Amino acid sequence: QSVLTQPPSVSGAPGQRVTISCTGSSSNIGAGYDVHWYQQLPGTAPKLLIYGNSNRPSGVPDRFSGSKSGTSASLAITGLQAEDEADYYCQSYDSSLSASYVFGTGTKVTVL
Amino acid sequence: QVQLQESGPGLVKPSGTLSLTCAVSGGSISSSNWWSWVRQPPGKGLEWIGEIYHSGSTNYNPSLKSRVTISVDKSKNQFSLKLSSVTAADTAVYYCARGVVVAATPWYDYWGQGTLVTVSS
Repeated sequence: QSVLTQPPSVSGAPGQRVTISCTGSSSNIGAGYDVHWYQQLPGTAPKLLIYGNSNRPSGVPDRFSGSKSGTSASLAITGLQAEDEADYYCQSYDSSLSASYVFGTGTKVTVL
Repeated sequence: QVQLQESGPGLVKPSGTLSLTCAVSGGSISSSNWWSWVRQPPGKGLEWIGEIYHSGSTNYNPSLKSRVTISVDKSKNQFSLKLSSVTAADTAVYYCARGVVVAATPWYDYWGQGTLVTVSS
């Protein structure tokens, strides 16, 4: 099981705002390590959505935003669209005994 | 535009060795990036396997370290993964990805399409 915990699922109607949490600890997010976010559409490879906690790569709509505070990070999607239905993963580094790059448990976003 | 393409056998026998190659095009494997492998068991989440720099330096997931070897072939602009003593638990889609390192934690900006490797007799 990952050291970064995400809710299994979140849902919202088109146009609404949803947030996805990524909860870590003092050995990863709380230690100051950056958090990145990926979107994975069904049957495709992950796509970088947010890097360095809150930065969007070129081409990613500004409906997607990231933030980090304490031992957690969040991804917000405003103006939810049908095409946003996908799995979302956070990623960071964990400096515990088994130091490694780690992905969150993943969150399925459903557009109602 | 950087492109990554995984290749290798889709079926490996238990206790055998999984071998995959990732061909990089549109960019040089000798750039200032780390080149990584990530896997995803069917219906499950992502797991980081390891990474290599063009110098040959490597880092591995401690949970897989004893079974993993990642190597680079600069002449062919590709890098490879070997995972030994495989079991059914190693059945997954294997992705290669390019890591961008600014601080301690790289982010992966380019990914291969992924290749499904099934461990079965």
